[in-house]
Amino acid sequence: GAVVSQHPSRVICKSGTSVKIECRSLDFQATTMFWYRQFPKQSLMLMATSNEGSKATYEQGVEKDKFLINHASLTLSTLTVTSAHPEDSSFYICSASQGEREAFFGQGTRLTVV
Amino acid sequence: QKEVEQDPGPLSVPEGAIVSLNCTYSNSAFQYFMWYRQYSRKGPELLMYTYSSGNKEDGRFTAQVDKSSKYISLFIRDSQPSDSATYLCAMSGYSNYQLIWGAGTKLIIKP
Repeated sequence: GAVVSQHPSRVICKSGTSVKIECRSLDFQATTMFWYRQFPKQSLMLMATSNEGSKATYEQGVEKDKFLINHASLTLSTLTVTSAHPEDSSFYICSASQGEREAFFGQGTRLTVV
Repeated sequence: QKEVEQDPGPLSVPEGAIVSLNCTYSNSAFQYFMWYRQYSRKGPELLMYTYSSGNKEDGRFTAQVDKSSKYISLFIRDSQPSDSATYLCAMSGYSNYQLIWGAGTKLIIKP
């Protein structure tokens, strides 16, 4: 299957700082990328959908000014958690799609805000 | 009522058993059905992908879709301890790429 690389896999940051998470499709061009958040023992919660070159579409209840998504190229999308707070601590996962139905996932990023 | 229902488990079976994992759904517009496997602290990995009704087999894994009953299944034959993971079903409509997820079933294969 296609490879999606997500970096970093783990990050600890201080409250009030910003954290950037990168998602790269390594062997295909991803026309659409998705960002998910996953709480312990719960399923994936879609945060936003981004298409290359256009603004991300956020799900209801997700603050777009807090979770900045940039999909600048067909192989890279970034999620920046701004002014992070302890309640933002979670597992963030990206996925990438070429426009077909299969979505390939990154390894996930465990964010801990202290 | 959730659009996709999946028993969170845990489901514990002995090594070598046949495992049956299931999801039910309510939206008849769903056309694409996927099964993902997620190990602890890792991203989901696509296992099986089917379109509309029918069966699909890949090695020890078989996916079944029964659209008339709005019911999908994943069977694992000759289960191994390495199959221990959380299995998530996901589905989408024909024109909407957004995946709707089940809660995931935690599977434990006992040696």
